[in-house]
Amino acid sequence: GDSVTQMEGPVTLSEEAFLTINCTYTATGYPSLFWYVQYPGEGLQLLLKATKADDKGSNKGFEATYRKETTSFHLEKGSVQVSDSAVYFCALSSSSNTGKLIFGQGTTLQVKP
Amino acid sequence: GAVVSQHPSRVICKSGTSVKIECRSLDFQATTMFWYRQFPKKSLMLMATSNEGSKATYEQGVEKDKFLINHASLTLSTLTVTSAHPEDSSFYICSAPRSTGLNEKLFFGSGTQLSVL
Repeated sequence: GDSVTQMEGPVTLSEEAFLTINCTYTATGYPSLFWYVQYPGEGLQLLLKATKADDKGSNKGFEATYRKETTSFHLEKGSVQVSDSAVYFCALSSSSNTGKLIFGQGTTLQVKP
Repeated sequence: GAVVSQHPSRVICKSGTSVKIECRSLDFQATTMFWYRQFPKKSLMLMATSNEGSKATYEQGVEKDKFLINHASLTLSTLTVTSAHPEDSSFYICSAPRSTGLNEKLFFGSGTQLSVL
């Protein structure tokens, strides 16, 4: 079945460091891909998404490119801030049921000043 | 601010008791809501789709009699963990889709950490 694999955390970085969180997927067909973020004490929020190959999703300085050839959707940010500390989830949706998301296990990011 | 409210955020209960978790859409109606479960260091797994006015649709392997879902109104879905046992300890999270024009966006509650002693 469909699945999503994320790099294990926690990831600890200094402020202004470059961030990469790896995400690879297995799916039949052409899924949509998402990154969600969960800040402490809050619900998951959609960070960015891409719906077809070679699409680049971007938001708040974060970017991820839908790479069909490598079945990846790695999250990157050029310069992280303390406020980026959160749990990041990669997810895919391969059905018209937008709520039926398949998530990775989440990666905790801690940014130190 | 939050558009989906989930309550309680944390609950500790004794084995054998039942626990109810509420999920509310705050300023929109949701005919469908989704319930997920997350084990430590594991993915969020979809448990069931809650449908207003009809029975919930459960994913394979989820016990319907253990996890009772009631979509009482267009803004409220509840998940009841019946006769909870330590293996039911987990993080439960709900979500609701909200249409904005041509797009549909999924909003999540902040989750409920259930600990069964």
